[in-house]
Amino acid sequence: GAVVSQHPSRVICKSGTSVKIECRSLDFQATTMFWYRQFPKQSLMLMATSNEGSKATYEQGVEKDKFLINHASLTLSTLTVTSAHPEDSSFYICSAREGQNTEAFFGQGTRLTVV
Amino acid sequence: ELKVEQNPLFLSMQEGKNYTIYCNYSTTSDRLYWYRQDPGKSLESLFVLLSNGAVKQEGRLMASLDTKARLSTLHITAAVHDLSATYFCAVDALYNTDKLIFGTGTRLQVFP
Repeated sequence: GAVVSQHPSRVICKSGTSVKIECRSLDFQATTMFWYRQFPKQSLMLMATSNEGSKATYEQGVEKDKFLINHASLTLSTLTVTSAHPEDSSFYICSAREGQNTEAFFGQGTRLTVV
Repeated sequence: ELKVEQNPLFLSMQEGKNYTIYCNYSTTSDRLYWYRQDPGKSLESLFVLLSNGAVKQEGRLMASLDTKARLSTLHITAAVHDLSATYFCAVDALYNTDKLIFGTGTRLQVFP
């Protein structure tokens, strides 16, 4: 299958700082990328959908000013957690699809710990 | 709003036994995916089911899809310890969206 690379895999940051997570599709052009958040022992919760060159679409209850998403090219999307707080600590996973109704491929995930 | 439910949420089974995990979804969709997640890891794709009646098998796992009943099953045959993981189904939300909505997950533990 296609490869989606997510970086970093693990990050620890201080409360109040910002953290950027990158998601790259390595061998295909991703028209759409998705960002999920997963708390321990829970399912993946979709945070937002991003399309290259346009603003991300956020799910209900997700603060767009806190979770900044940029999809600058067909192979790169970034999620920036601004002014992070301990409750933002979670496992963040990105996903990419080449087009509608194509298989989604997932990054390795990023474990964010805010201290 | 598309909802995806799995049962059971937790399954503890003995090696060598068979069991089925169920995935129900609330609105029309003809695309369903099964994933495996090991602790601390991301998702591993298991099966892609693209039409009513689709059945796929890989090793001790077999998945099926009934779009009329809005039901998919993941059957485990003669379980082994290596199958211990959390299993998720996910459904494509239709109508001009690329969203993939995940089920609640089933945590499988296989013991000797």
